[in-house]
Amino acid sequence: ETGVTQTPRHLVMGMTNKKSLKCEQHLGHNAMYWYKQSAKKPLELMFVYNFKEQTENNSVPSRFSPECPNSSHLFLHLHTLQPEDSALYLCASSQEPSGSSYNEQFFGPGTRLTVL
Amino acid sequence: DAKTTQPPSMDCAEGRAANLPCNHSTISGNEYVYWYRQIHSQGPQYIIHGLKNNETNEMASLIITEDRKSSTLILPHATLRDTAVYYCIVRGNNDMRFGAGTRLTVKP
Repeated sequence: ETGVTQTPRHLVMGMTNKKSLKCEQHLGHNAMYWYKQSAKKPLELMFVYNFKEQTENNSVPSRFSPECPNSSHLFLHLHTLQPEDSALYLCASSQEPSGSSYNEQFFGPGTRLTVL
Repeated sequence: DAKTTQPPSMDCAEGRAANLPCNHSTISGNEYVYWYRQIHSQGPQYIIHGLKNNETNEMASLIITEDRKSSTLILPHATLRDTAVYYCIVRGNNDMRFGAGTRLTVKP
């Protein structure tokens, strides 16, 4: 257990559905992240939140919409997805101090998403 | 894009040291080298990180060359449970760029 939980662990949805992925961290961290891991491809960073503010969006299509209501919770809202969006979606958190040193990220177990 | 190069796969005998190399020839002065691993169907797990000095913790040792253009992760006594994909990452800001990693298989 890393202190980062994700629900659901598995999700199957049609292209016209709307669903949300949830991430919760119990570590008191101030930064949270969404990653996508497609089959046979490296992990891709999608979004970064620092102190609830989105600081990075790596050209992610608008059918993925993140939400960070507080520093412990992170959501990824999904709508009108495509089959190629099927992947493992991983959430992570870290405590980021100021300055040039960065702390390790703690990952959740991921949500395995299948889009039909 | 990832700023590191790693061999796609390696084997190691159980109980022996596993030495995983990583090239990061374009690393800049304020960037750290991080290592993570991902066991099948789980989220990545932090192992160790360093800037320019060698580092050791309960999981592994990290050897960084003097010019910082490459590094080696050492698992001193590999076990079957160390079978995983190992990622070497150069990190200079709040995000991390994962490459394809090295798939380490520890064999009995």
